Amino acid sequence: QVTLRESGPALVKPTQTLTLTCTFSGFSLSTSGMCVSWIRQAPGKALEWLAVIDWDDDKYYTPSLKTRLTISKDTSKNQVVFIMTKMDPVDTATYYCARGGYTAEFDYWGQGILVTVSS
Amino acid sequence: QSALTQPASVSGSPGQSITISCTGTSSDVGGYNYVSWYQQHPGKVPKLLIYDVSNRPSGVSNRFSGSKSVNTASLTISGLQVEDEADYYCSSFTSNTIPVFGGGTKLTVL
Repeated sequence: QVTLRESGPALVKPTQTLTLTCTFSGFSLSTSGMCVSWIRQAPGKALEWLAVIDWDDDKYYTPSLKTRLTISKDTSKNQVVFIMTKMDPVDTATYYCARGGYTAEFDYWGQGILVTVSS
Repeated sequence: QSALTQPASVSGSPGQSITISCTGTSSDVGGYNYVSWYQQHPGKVPKLLIYDVSNRPSGVSNRFSGSKSVNTASLTISGLQVEDEADYYCSSFTSNTIPVFGGGTKLTVL
């Protein structure tokens, strides 16, 4: 059974750095072809793909936010860490981690974590 | 990377069929057979409906089908049901080796 769960702060202040952790089970990120993505959804808005990390430790980011994003993995802990710097109120959104990425197929999703950026 | 273009809303009556379009370019939808569709009910997590243009994951109703022509992918829902009322998103692999989502379509079942 594949599960993913996001954890991190629900509230961050403008200019601060957001760190989210995705803890998953039911698959291994050391298996060839596996990858985990981060996707966000601002209130009332569309899904926006942010970043992916794969079994080979290759990483890709959405171009518009590339300078602010970092994704990493700890295979032994079955965790993927997502970092976004210089948070702004417009970054207020529900952040999801999901299995998949390169083929645009996200077959399992976490429940999401609502992150509010406010002073 | 520009978002894929979807109609903001579509509607239909129970039992009818509706189609939602997802228009991209030759650098995404038209260039690869990697288009997926997701259903999202209010307050819920997106659910994968279709992958690789026309494949359904196990457990997804065969009332949902996908297709593609040139740069436009389509999701067809046949035998519309009240519980199909939701937001629908397409996504595609792109030439930048990253995926992109569409702007979403709100389906209303009248």
